[in-house]
Amino acid sequence: SQQGEEDPQALSIQEGENATMNCSYKTSINNLQWYRQNSGRGLVHLILIRSNEREKHSGRLRVTLDTSKKSSSLLITASRAADTASYFCALNQAGTALIFGKGTTLSVSS
Amino acid sequence: NAGVMQNPRHLVRRRGQEARLRCSPMKGHSHVYWYRQLPEEGLKFMVYLQKENIIDESGMPKERFSAEFPKEGPSILRIQQVVRGDSAAYFCASSPEWRSGNQPQHFGDGTRLSIL
Repeated sequence: SQQGEEDPQALSIQEGENATMNCSYKTSINNLQWYRQNSGRGLVHLILIRSNEREKHSGRLRVTLDTSKKSSSLLITASRAADTASYFCALNQAGTALIFGKGTTLSVSS
Repeated sequence: NAGVMQNPRHLVRRRGQEARLRCSPMKGHSHVYWYRQLPEEGLKFMVYLQKENIIDESGMPKERFSAEFPKEGPSILRIQQVVRGDSAAYFCASSPEWRSGNQPQHFGDGTRLSIL
């Protein structure tokens, strides 16, 4: 399959804990993007990491990319109840269409 | 609101009817993408358009589905003779022209299509 595969499929944590989600893929990529989707809403872009980058930060988010292992991880530090959502990795290959995985459902309880 | 606007938010059609979904991209964006999301699934790419041109329709079913992005007005995703399997959430995204492959896509809140 060309799509990214997120792991785990579901994650439940307490507020204040860190959440780590992983994405593995099989093809070469131009960049990899992470999106968040709240229930009933559209996707919100979180971070874009290019194939020649290894790590990017944005606020409480940290994304790593290992092209040799064809994997990426999204770390959310000090999670909040408002972080409850589905998180998707999306692959961008030679073109511009994104290839999405099935997502990780994160539940953060207070 | 300068975001991607989709309408309607919810659309109910009977089998055999036509469904028209509209998408107005963010201001200044000339690239539009349509995706379909089934329950508990990720988004599946359907079609990529620029003004008056279809650039990539590799994800679009060959029959009953069509898309356009005219010079003036919103992009339209049209589904003719709908069937129950067309029930899904349809999302539109837009991006600016410059280095579009390395730009994030900005998504609307989707149209949830239900077929009776």
